[in-house]
Amino acid sequence: GDSVTQMEGPVTLSEEAFLTINCTYTATGYPSLFWYVQYPGEGLQLLLKATKADDKGSNKGFEATYRKETTSFHLEKGSVQVSDSAVYFCALGHQGGSEKLVFGKGTKLTVNP
Amino acid sequence: EAQVTQNPRYLITVTGKKLTVTCSQNMNHEYMSWYRQDPGLGLRQIYYSMNVEVTDKGDVPEGYKVSRKEKRNFPLILESPSPNQTSLYFCASSSLPDEKLFFGSGTQLSVL
Repeated sequence: GDSVTQMEGPVTLSEEAFLTINCTYTATGYPSLFWYVQYPGEGLQLLLKATKADDKGSNKGFEATYRKETTSFHLEKGSVQVSDSAVYFCALGHQGGSEKLVFGKGTKLTVNP
Repeated sequence: EAQVTQNPRYLITVTGKKLTVTCSQNMNHEYMSWYRQDPGLGLRQIYYSMNVEVTDKGDVPEGYKVSRKEKRNFPLILESPSPNQTSLYFCASSSLPDEKLFFGSGTQLSVL
């Protein structure tokens, strides 16, 4: 079945450092890929998405490129801020509905001033 | 404001005492779902509903019940809670076939 593997956390960075959170997937067909973010004490919210190979999703300075050849969707940000401290979830789904969303285990990011 | 509202935010109960966690959305979404979040296991789906009176099991449905009598509400029922159901629970909704999920703020449940 479908699955998502994220890098183990936690990740601790200093402000303005470069961020990469790795995500690889196993899926049949051509899934859509997502990054969700969970700020402390809140529910998850969609950060960015990509629906086909070579698409780049971007939002709030974060980017991720759908790489079919390596089955990856790594999250990157050039300069993190303290306010980016959160748990990040990679997920995959198939077009036609969110009931098939499969989430990774999450990666906790802490950014220190 | 578009939102998914869960209640209560925190709940401590004892083994075997029936409880209900409510979930309501004001976006007229067809799809609603319940997840539990546990350390090291991430997010796991309990039940989901594609529309009124249509519900289906997710990955970890044992020990839970749901109902979808109205489009906006999707309560999660624990008939006889056990300590292994201690977890952080999230309700979510979306407008089909959009894949963007809107999440509630969560319910932290402790079963003693």
